[in-house]
Amino acid sequence: GAGVSQSPRYKVAKRGQDVALRCDPISGHVSLFWYQQALGQGPEFLTYFQNEAQLDKSGLPSDRFFAERPEGSVSTLKIQRTQQEDSAVYLCASSERVQSGTLHFGNGTRLTVT
Amino acid sequence: QQQVKQSPQSLIVQKGGISIINCAYENTAFDYFPWYQQFPGKGPALLIAIRPDVSEKKEGRFTISFNKSAKQFSLHIMDSQPGDSATYFCAAIPDHSGATNKLIFGTGTLLAVQP
Repeated sequence: GAGVSQSPRYKVAKRGQDVALRCDPISGHVSLFWYQQALGQGPEFLTYFQNEAQLDKSGLPSDRFFAERPEGSVSTLKIQRTQQEDSAVYLCASSERVQSGTLHFGNGTRLTVT
Repeated sequence: QQQVKQSPQSLIVQKGGISIINCAYENTAFDYFPWYQQFPGKGPALLIAIRPDVSEKKEGRFTISFNKSAKQFSLHIMDSQPGDSATYFCAAIPDHSGATNKLIFGTGTLLAVQP
């Protein structure tokens, strides 16, 4: 694929359910980021991977949020026991090099918790 | 923890006019300042970026002006077109030479260019 792919595109979950959001970065990209974007707001950093290593998870809002990238390519963001405040668009981005300022974003997964 | 302040929140410009969006930051460790453009239902896409060692960068109709002493930077869109209608985010990267190039985004400006 030419760009970052995220699935599902939309997810509706009942409060208390667990969800898993997938990100397929651009092939060969070393860095992978997850961002959370609330309606009408700028994206907020959640976590960062360099290959398979999670180097920064300072933005994860609670221990209900967990991310992994076991083989250094595909990444999954998991949210356990979803709450209404988790409703947002979750964006994944990748970059070719560690020190690249150019992030390539996917179109996001819109999560709605009812 | 708003580290990058952006204004205005929304902006309406007539076709052919100049759109101006302003951002200010406090953290002097920021050393790379990109602007991203986001259309509805899409992820942000890099538009133009500047480093603090230059005061201006121009790419086509888009210009970034940077004032290091005031810790402010702005995006100018010349000859604005209806296709420019989107949300624009300024951003900053703390410690560009570090291990994590995490972007800190502003709150966004919704630009509408009227035909």
